[in-house]
Amino acid sequence: KNQVEQSPQSLIILEGKNCTLQCNYTVSPFSNLRWYKQDTGRGPVSLTIMTFSENTKSNGRYTATLDADTKQSSLHITASQLSDSASYICVVRPGSSYKLIFGSGTRLLVRP
Amino acid sequence: NAGVMQNPRHLVRRRGQEARLRCSPMKGHSHVYWYRQLPEEGLKFMVYLQKENIIDESGMPKERFSAEFPKEGPSILRIQQVVRGDSAAYFCASSPPTGSSYEQYFGPGTRLTVT
Repeated sequence: KNQVEQSPQSLIILEGKNCTLQCNYTVSPFSNLRWYKQDTGRGPVSLTIMTFSENTKSNGRYTATLDADTKQSSLHITASQLSDSASYICVVRPGSSYKLIFGSGTRLLVRP
Repeated sequence: NAGVMQNPRHLVRRRGQEARLRCSPMKGHSHVYWYRQLPEEGLKFMVYLQKENIIDESGMPKERFSAEFPKEGPSILRIQQVVRGDSAAYFCASSPPTGSSYEQYFGPGTRLTVT
Protein backbone atom coordinates (compact mmCIF):
# COMPACT_ATOMS: atom_id res chain seq x y z
CA LYS A 1 0.00 0.00 0.00
CA ASN A 2 1.34 3.43 -0.93
CA GLN A 3 1.97 5.41 2.21
CA VAL A 4 3.84 8.50 3.38
CA GLU A 5 4.68 8.88 7.05
CA GLN A 6 6.07 11.98 8.67
CA SER A 7 7.72 12.68 11.97
CA PRO A 8 7.53 14.33 14.32
CA GLN A 9 3.82 15.05 14.31
CA SER A 10 4.50 18.44 15.87
CA LEU A 11 7.53 20.46 16.85
CA ILE A 12 8.18 23.63 18.81
CA ILE A 13 11.45 25.50 18.39
CA LEU A 14 12.81 28.91 19.28
CA GLU A 15 13.28 31.56 16.65
CA GLY A 16 16.70 31.34 15.06
CA LYS A 17 17.15 27.63 15.72
CA ASN A 18 17.42 24.93 13.07
CA CYS A 19 15.19 21.90 12.74
CA THR A 20 14.83 18.80 10.60
CA LEU A 21 11.59 17.12 9.59
CA GLN A 22 11.45 13.51 8.44
CA CYS A 23 9.48 11.68 5.77
CA ASN A 24 9.43 7.94 5.06
CA TYR A 25 7.54 6.59 2.11
CA THR A 26 6.50 3.25 0.70
CA VAL A 27 5.38 4.39 -2.72
CA SER A 28 6.10 2.42 -5.85
CA PRO A 29 6.91 3.23 -8.51
CA PHE A 30 8.44 6.49 -7.40
CA SER A 31 8.33 9.58 -9.59
CA ASN A 32 9.04 12.56 -7.38
CA LEU A 33 8.77 13.88 -3.85
CA ARG A 34 7.67 17.34 -2.87
CA TRP A 35 7.69 19.24 0.37
CA TYR A 36 4.80 21.65 0.81
CA LYS A 37 4.27 24.38 3.35
CA GLN A 38 0.70 24.88 4.49
CA ASP A 39 -0.05 27.96 6.53
CA THR A 40 -3.08 27.84 8.79
CA GLY A 41 -6.19 28.37 6.74
CA ARG A 42 -4.36 28.24 3.44
CA GLY A 43 -3.65 25.72 0.73
CA PRO A 44 -0.32 23.86 0.39
CA VAL A 45 2.48 25.69 -1.42
CA SER A 46 5.36 23.75 -2.96
CA LEU A 47 8.81 24.33 -1.45
CA THR A 48 10.92 21.76 -3.29
CA ILE A 49 10.56 18.90 -5.72
CA MET A 50 13.03 16.03 -5.94
CA THR A 51 13.32 13.24 -8.45
CA PHE A 52 14.96 9.86 -8.08
CA SER A 53 18.44 11.06 -9.04
CA GLU A 54 18.54 14.10 -6.76
CA ASN A 55 20.01 13.90 -3.27
CA THR A 56 19.77 17.49 -2.10
CA LYS A 57 17.87 20.56 -3.13
CA SER A 58 17.75 23.97 -1.47
CA ASN A 59 15.24 26.78 -1.55
CA GLY A 60 16.50 29.63 0.59
CA ARG A 61 16.60 28.47 4.19
CA TYR A 62 14.93 25.17 3.26
CA THR A 63 17.06 22.19 2.27
CA ALA A 64 15.51 18.89 1.29
CA THR A 65 17.35 15.59 1.04
CA LEU A 66 16.31 12.35 -0.58
CA ASP A 67 17.64 8.84 -0.12
CA ALA A 68 15.85 6.77 -2.73
CA ASP A 69 17.42 3.54 -1.44
CA THR A 70 16.02 3.84 2.05
CA LYS A 71 12.97 5.79 0.83
CA GLN A 72 13.54 8.62 3.23
CA SER A 73 13.51 12.37 2.85
CA SER A 74 14.18 15.21 5.22
CA LEU A 75 13.49 18.92 5.24
CA HIS A 76 15.98 21.05 7.11
CA ILE A 77 15.05 24.59 8.08
CA THR A 78 17.90 26.89 8.95
CA ALA A 79 17.70 29.95 11.20
CA SER A 80 13.97 29.59 11.74
CA GLN A 81 11.67 32.60 11.63
CA LEU A 82 8.26 33.15 13.15
CA SER A 83 6.77 32.96 9.66
CA ASP A 84 8.00 29.38 9.37
CA SER A 85 5.21 28.35 11.72
CA ALA A 86 3.07 26.12 9.53
CA SER A 87 2.42 22.51 8.61
CA TYR A 88 5.02 20.89 6.38
CA ILE A 89 3.70 18.15 4.17
CA CYS A 90 5.65 15.49 2.32
CA VAL A 91 3.97 14.40 -0.90
CA VAL A 92 5.03 11.57 -3.21
CA ARG A 93 3.88 11.07 -6.76
CA PRO A 94 3.66 7.40 -7.76
CA GLY A 95 4.82 6.81 -11.32
CA SER A 96 2.86 8.77 -13.87
CA SER A 97 -0.20 8.97 -11.64
CA TYR A 98 -1.89 12.21 -10.74
CA LYS A 99 -2.99 10.69 -7.43
CA LEU A 100 -0.50 12.25 -5.09
CA ILE A 101 0.15 10.51 -1.79
CA PHE A 102 0.17 12.97 1.10
CA GLY A 103 1.72 12.62 4.51
CA SER A 104 -0.26 13.97 7.43
CA GLY A 105 2.28 16.70 7.98
CA THR A 106 4.49 18.07 10.74
CA ARG A 107 3.10 21.07 12.56
CA LEU A 108 5.95 23.45 13.33
CA LEU A 109 5.62 26.28 15.81
CA VAL A 110 8.42 28.82 16.00
CA ARG A 111 8.39 30.82 19.24
CA PRO A 112 10.11 34.15 19.80
CA ASN B 1 -1.99 35.51 -13.04
CA ALA B 2 -4.35 34.81 -10.20
CA GLY B 3 -3.90 31.54 -8.37
CA VAL B 4 -6.50 28.88 -7.82
CA MET B 5 -9.56 30.44 -6.24
CA GLN B 6 -12.09 28.74 -4.05
CA ASN B 7 -15.27 30.01 -2.54
CA PRO B 8 -16.68 30.21 -0.10
CA ARG B 9 -13.71 30.01 2.25
CA HIS B 10 -15.95 28.95 5.10
CA LEU B 11 -19.31 27.26 4.84
CA VAL B 12 -21.65 26.23 7.63
CA ARG B 13 -24.49 23.86 6.89
CA ARG B 14 -27.01 22.06 9.05
CA ARG B 15 -27.36 18.33 8.71
CA GLY B 16 -29.44 17.45 5.68
CA GLN B 17 -28.66 20.61 3.73
CA GLU B 18 -26.68 20.83 0.53
CA ALA B 19 -23.16 22.22 0.25
CA ARG B 20 -21.76 23.65 -2.98
CA LEU B 21 -18.07 24.36 -3.19
CA ARG B 22 -16.61 26.26 -6.11
CA CYS B 23 -13.16 26.19 -7.63
CA SER B 24 -11.76 28.42 -10.36
CA PRO B 25 -8.50 27.00 -11.70
CA MET B 26 -5.50 29.05 -12.65
CA LYS B 27 -5.70 30.71 -16.03
CA GLY B 28 -4.80 28.24 -18.74
CA HIS B 29 -5.34 25.19 -16.53
CA SER B 30 -7.93 22.72 -17.69
CA HIS B 31 -7.38 19.97 -15.12
CA VAL B 32 -8.95 20.17 -11.69
CA TYR B 33 -8.53 17.92 -8.66
CA TRP B 34 -10.52 17.91 -5.44
CA TYR B 35 -9.09 16.76 -2.13
CA ARG B 36 -10.54 16.40 1.35
CA GLN B 37 -8.58 16.98 4.52
CA LEU B 38 -10.02 15.70 7.76
CA PRO B 39 -8.66 17.13 11.03
CA GLU B 40 -5.18 15.82 11.86
CA GLU B 41 -5.01 13.92 8.56
CA GLY B 42 -3.36 14.38 5.19
CA LEU B 43 -5.16 15.41 2.04
CA LYS B 44 -7.02 12.59 0.33
CA PHE B 45 -7.77 12.51 -3.40
CA MET B 46 -11.44 12.67 -4.29
CA VAL B 47 -11.91 13.37 -7.98
CA TYR B 48 -10.06 14.48 -11.11
CA LEU B 49 -11.86 16.41 -13.81
CA GLN B 50 -11.11 17.97 -17.13
CA LYS B 51 -13.44 20.34 -18.90
CA GLU B 52 -16.82 18.61 -19.17
CA ASN B 53 -15.34 15.24 -18.20
CA ILE B 54 -14.88 13.29 -15.00
CA ILE B 55 -11.63 11.42 -15.44
CA ASP B 56 -11.38 9.67 -12.08
CA GLU B 57 -13.84 9.81 -9.21
CA SER B 58 -12.51 6.80 -7.36
CA GLY B 59 -11.83 8.79 -4.18
CA MET B 60 -15.29 10.27 -3.94
CA PRO B 61 -18.06 8.62 -1.91
CA LYS B 62 -20.60 7.04 -4.24
CA GLU B 63 -23.56 8.65 -2.56
CA ARG B 64 -24.34 12.30 -1.88
CA PHE B 65 -21.14 13.59 -3.55
CA SER B 66 -20.87 14.81 -7.10
CA ALA B 67 -18.49 17.00 -9.06
CA GLU B 68 -18.58 18.82 -12.34
CA PHE B 69 -16.35 21.07 -14.41
CA PRO B 70 -18.51 22.70 -17.08
CA LYS B 71 -17.25 24.22 -20.28
CA GLU B 72 -17.82 27.65 -18.79
CA GLY B 73 -17.50 28.55 -15.15
CA PRO B 74 -15.90 27.04 -12.10
CA SER B 75 -15.70 23.45 -11.02
CA ILE B 76 -18.34 22.56 -8.45
CA LEU B 77 -18.15 19.96 -5.70
CA ARG B 78 -21.64 19.25 -4.45
CA ILE B 79 -22.50 17.43 -1.26
CA GLN B 80 -26.14 16.60 -0.74
CA GLN B 81 -27.75 15.91 2.62
CA VAL B 82 -24.61 16.73 4.55
CA VAL B 83 -23.75 14.84 7.72
CA ARG B 84 -21.38 15.75 10.56
CA GLY B 85 -18.69 13.50 9.11
CA ASP B 86 -18.53 15.72 6.03
CA SER B 87 -16.99 18.49 8.13
CA ALA B 88 -13.53 18.97 6.66
CA ALA B 89 -11.38 21.25 4.55
CA TYR B 90 -11.89 20.73 0.84
CA PHE B 91 -9.04 21.74 -1.41
CA CYS B 92 -9.04 22.20 -5.13
CA ALA B 93 -5.91 22.02 -7.25
CA SER B 94 -5.36 22.69 -10.92
CA SER B 95 -2.71 21.76 -13.45
CA PRO B 96 -1.86 22.67 -17.04
CA PRO B 97 -3.35 20.58 -19.83
CA THR B 98 -0.38 18.83 -21.36
CA GLY B 99 3.36 18.32 -21.19
CA SER B 100 3.47 18.84 -17.44
CA SER B 101 4.53 16.64 -14.60
CA TYR B 102 1.04 17.02 -13.24
CA GLU B 103 2.31 19.74 -10.94
CA GLN B 104 -0.74 20.77 -9.03
CA TYR B 105 -1.35 24.22 -7.67
CA PHE B 106 -3.62 24.39 -4.67
CA GLY B 107 -6.33 26.80 -3.73
CA PRO B 108 -6.87 28.10 -0.18
CA GLY B 109 -9.57 25.58 0.57
CA THR B 110 -13.16 25.68 1.76
CA ARG B 111 -13.76 24.76 5.37
CA LEU B 112 -17.10 23.04 5.70
CA THR B 113 -18.69 22.77 9.11
CA VAL B 114 -21.83 20.70 9.51
CA THR B 115 -23.82 21.47 12.63
